[in-house]
Amino acid sequence: DAKTTQPTSMDCAEGRAANLPCNHSTISGNEYVYWYRQIHSQGPQYIIHGLKNNETNEMASLIITEDRKSSTLILPHATLRDTAVYYCIVRVASSGNTPLVFGKGTRLSVIA
Amino acid sequence: NAGVTQTPKFRVLKTGQSMTLLCAQDMNHEYMYWYRQDPGMGLRLIHYSVGEGTTAKGEVPDGYNVSRLKKQNFLLGLESAAPSQTSVYFCASSNPANYGYTFGSGTRLTVV
Repeated sequence: DAKTTQPTSMDCAEGRAANLPCNHSTISGNEYVYWYRQIHSQGPQYIIHGLKNNETNEMASLIITEDRKSSTLILPHATLRDTAVYYCIVRVASSGNTPLVFGKGTRLSVIA
Repeated sequence: NAGVTQTPKFRVLKTGQSMTLLCAQDMNHEYMYWYRQDPGMGLRLIHYSVGEGTTAKGEVPDGYNVSRLKKQNFLLGLESAAPSQTSVYFCASSNPANYGYTFGSGTRLTVV
């Protein structure tokens, strides 16, 4: 699976959009981009995933560049409860027997 | 739906003692995983299973054994605990067609 690069930490004002970048310049054509987050002391939580089209669900939006070498997770109206570590992971979707590999992620602090 | 349940939630062991961590899921998931997380670090895969009766090693398997005798349960054993195994242990499960992992709430283990 391709490696990813994320900033170590970011701050965001409450109510503003949080934009979390991820670089995955070695991504292969059949690899998806997954985002998970981990709120303090809890197990990670799945947020969203995508292949090449932009995706949106009730939690967030995922914007993938046309060359697929980078992506951005967008939390449209960040709240204090969005303070967490966010993990960007690249993986072939059907490789259920190839487990997710977590890096160190981005620590997002939402500030009142 | 309970999802993924881990027991116990907390445990203190003495060096050399043994114990088993239990992970149970009620979602009929095929795949199950054990990760450990040390302070300030991302999750590292210990062992995983792609089906009942099968297990495989992850990134950091030494000092641990696992068993998947029933589809819904995945046990992680420490035969002779060491202080280096002090960590938070997370179990997760998924299906081949399900892109998201469901994580348990973790077991905080301290070895003194």
